[in-house]
Amino acid sequence: DTAVSQTPKYLVTQMGNDKSIKCEQNLGHDTMYWYKQDSKKFLKIMFSYNNKELIINETVPNRFSPKSPDKAHLNLHINSLELGDSAVYFCASSQGAGLAGWQYFGPGTRLTVT
Amino acid sequence: GESVGLHLPTLSVQEGDNSIINCAYSNSASDYFIWYKQESGKGPQFIIDIRSNMDKRQGQRVTVLLNKTVKHLSLQIAATQPGDSAVYFCADLPSSGGGADGLTFGKGTHLIIQP
Repeated sequence: DTAVSQTPKYLVTQMGNDKSIKCEQNLGHDTMYWYKQDSKKFLKIMFSYNNKELIINETVPNRFSPKSPDKAHLNLHINSLELGDSAVYFCASSQGAGLAGWQYFGPGTRLTVT
Repeated sequence: GESVGLHLPTLSVQEGDNSIINCAYSNSASDYFIWYKQESGKGPQFIIDIRSNMDKRQGQRVTVLLNKTVKHLSLQIAATQPGDSAVYFCADLPSSGGGADGLTFGKGTHLIIQP
């Protein structure tokens, strides 16, 4: 019954590796997002997908590439991981574009790069 | 740049007391504001929202007040309970139509409920 799920919940990896985080929502929403939360709890939008189309790319390094195979999934692939990528990554979804205040967030994936 | 920010990083209140969490925003074009609650180890959870054409909105034990003159937003929690302990974020949507806008979050306030 989980609305927005993410896997894995924890991810520990070394610098230079490539990793992916998966996100799935079963709410029938047509818009999905990726947020990054740093160690100071600051949440920042990274990407937004609406009906499989990228809407936002907030100056995220191109090492990060979102992939949406269908509107229920939005995966985040990260190449050549760096120490500064360590953070908690949250997936979210909402119905409709525009005033998408009702965003449902997943439980987060804590990425630690060593 | 424009931002949404909170005045205090930590707020400690006695159980049963009311708490007020404040937020200042700078984007005059913002017309939709949301409060989220984030418990430890979990994702943000929607609490309450308010549009710019309103000054006040009430939910269950929560009230959001919006003062557009001074660009100030507050969240009032009545009769706080241990389960209210969390980090609270205010967020805004900078535009009111078109596109799947991501939320702009302010810095969180950690609300601690003392027994």
